[in-house]
Parts: sequence; structure tokens; C-alpha cells
Amino acid sequence: DQQVKQNSPSLSVQEGRISILNCDYTNSMFDYFLWYKKYPAEGPTFLISISSIKDKNEDGRFTVFLNKSAKHLSLHIVPSQPGDSAVYFCAASGSGSNYKLTFGKGTLLTVNP
Amino acid sequence: DSGVTQTPKHLITATGQRVTLRCSPRSGDLSVYWYQQSLDQGLQFLIQYYNGEERAKGNILERFSAQQFPDLHSELNLSSLELGDSALYFCASSVGGTGSSYEQYFGPGTRLTVT
Repeated sequence: DQQVKQNSPSLSVQEGRISILNCDYTNSMFDYFLWYKKYPAEGPTFLISISSIKDKNEDGRFTVFLNKSAKHLSLHIVPSQPGDSAVYFCAASGSGSNYKLTFGKGTLLTVNP
Repeated sequence: DSGVTQTPKHLITATGQRVTLRCSPRSGDLSVYWYQQSLDQGLQFLIQYYNGEERAKGNILERFSAQQFPDLHSELNLSSLELGDSALYFCASSVGGTGSSYEQYFGPGTRLTVT
């Protein structure tokens, strides 16, 4: 039973345009959500997070939106750059989970020059 | 550089063998987490240690075990290896403890190939 789902295995966008990566979750106990970026042959790198008490968190070109009623979150990257090409993982955690993260399977983002 | 180190980077071994993967957390972090990433899979949580004690268990096989030492480094032991154990194994660390941040910082991983 996959509690965190990233339904798009891949996404391709043009440099300078917006990239939107989506994530859905099923566990109502999740109250903290994170996005990680992963380049080949490297470990995942923390990108941005959001608590369930918020519906938006912004950090530079990256914004995460949370829709609790729909159990959906998205990561917006504006403007997209070729260096953003990587696999993006959505992860979730919750109080009482001992801070362990439940990950989606990832979305491969390709930003074309 | 996340500050989390893992050794070895690559490991090739035969079925039935036993291997040990090592992780050193970031300075100051008390929690260590182990994850497995198989082909086409996301990262699967295996086990967590906090300040030397096991805190949480995920989808960890009985053939696998882990420990965290007084200096806070951790080892993941994989025994009676099978072909299906071939995967990337990541270690992550965080400050840990009640009220701390959820962000975890990952090492570069160990790629295990079982032949």
C-alpha cells in the first residue's frame, strides 16, 4: 500500500518555464511534507518542506503548495533551469512516526535548454 | 556535501554472503536512518536509531540488522544475501528528539550488487 504517490514518472519542460511536480498521500496522520532532489550517483538532497498548518512555503525559485482536503501537494519551480534536471522525491512524516519519512517513487524532471 | 558519510561506495558480493555497510552521521545529529532503494522503487525505510537505541522499524528483513555505536556511527548488516538484495542503501541523519526538525540529510549511498 503506497501511502505517498507520485503518479508522473517523468516531466519535461523548457528552460525558463514553470515545472510543476505533484504528489498525493493517503495517510491522514501525515503532517509534514518534504521534497528532495536526487542527482545520479548522489544521495537525496533536501529541497523544501511544509507543515500541515500552512498551505504554501516559498524558498527562492521553489514553492510548495499543500491542499490538505485533497491530500495533495505540489512543487513549483520557476523559472526552471537545466541544472534542475534530477529526480524529485516527495516525502511525508507525522507526529508519532518517530520522524521516519515515507517516500514516493520519484519524478524525473528534465529541463531542456 | 551533506556531512553524512557512507562506506563503501560500491560492494559486489555473492549470494549467501554477509556484508556490513557503515554510516557516520552529521556532527551533532543523534538519529540515523537506513533506507533501501531498489530498481524503480522509491526509498524504503528500513530502521532508525536514536542515540544508540532502536527507535523505529520499517520493511527490514530478518536477515538484516543494524546498530548504532557510542560514537553515533551506525552499521547495517546484511546476511544470507540474495539477488533481490541488490540495491542502493542510503543512510540519513537528523538531530532527532522530540520537537526537532523533520529534515533528514542523506549520505551518498552504498550500491550493493549481489551476484
